[in-house]
Amino acid sequence: KAGVTQTPRYLIKTRGQQVTLSCSPISGHRSVSWYQQTPGQGLQFLFEYFSETQRNKGNFPGRFSGRQFSNSRSEMNVSTLELGDSALYLCASSPGQGNEKLFFGSGTQLSVL
Amino acid sequence: DQQVKQNSPSLSVQEGRISILNCDYTNSMFDYFLWYKKYPAEGPTFLISISSIKDKNEDGRFTVFLNKSAKHLSLHIVPSQPGDSAVYFCAASDFRSGTASKLTFGTGTRLQVTL
Repeated sequence: KAGVTQTPRYLIKTRGQQVTLSCSPISGHRSVSWYQQTPGQGLQFLFEYFSETQRNKGNFPGRFSGRQFSNSRSEMNVSTLELGDSALYLCASSPGQGNEKLFFGSGTQLSVL
Repeated sequence: DQQVKQNSPSLSVQEGRISILNCDYTNSMFDYFLWYKKYPAEGPTFLISISSIKDKNEDGRFTVFLNKSAKHLSLHIVPSQPGDSAVYFCAASDFRSGTASKLTFGTGTRLQVTL
């Protein structure tokens, strides 16, 4: 089975711009979660989508949004970028039916200048 | 407010010896705990987990211990191998509330296994 695929791998943007990141989950997985990793904060939960609906949400401002398509692929959007948004954004998928482990992609490294 | 804490940013252990990585949590609602390993330029990979109804779970060289009264868990790697050198993240979730995918992670411990 192919793993979780995230594109692009690297991204450089300037303050005020917006960005869209993409995630393709493992085939058959219906849950996609997004995490932000920064050096001092570790991994922080952004949101989870299951069957095209946001099922859980972390404590991030409304500038961070996402969506999930009928094929379970997910996109995450950040608007009005700030310097502090520079981070590794990780996507994880799981079947979504219970207490199963998450499978992570390699992430998108976003740099905001 | 860091609900999951890994107080040791780094740990160095000799090959063949035991590695012990520690994790503390403050949220008593957490009932499922996991350890992930992360190599540079890769996403975290699942290592081992434990439910709050158990106090120990073993998988080969890896054992996780849970002390609920102390809100503490630890990961033991025996024997340690050079390939174990990575960053280890402790994570917790409140499965009963239906948020199994909402993991709260610690800040990680970098393990270096030396020859």
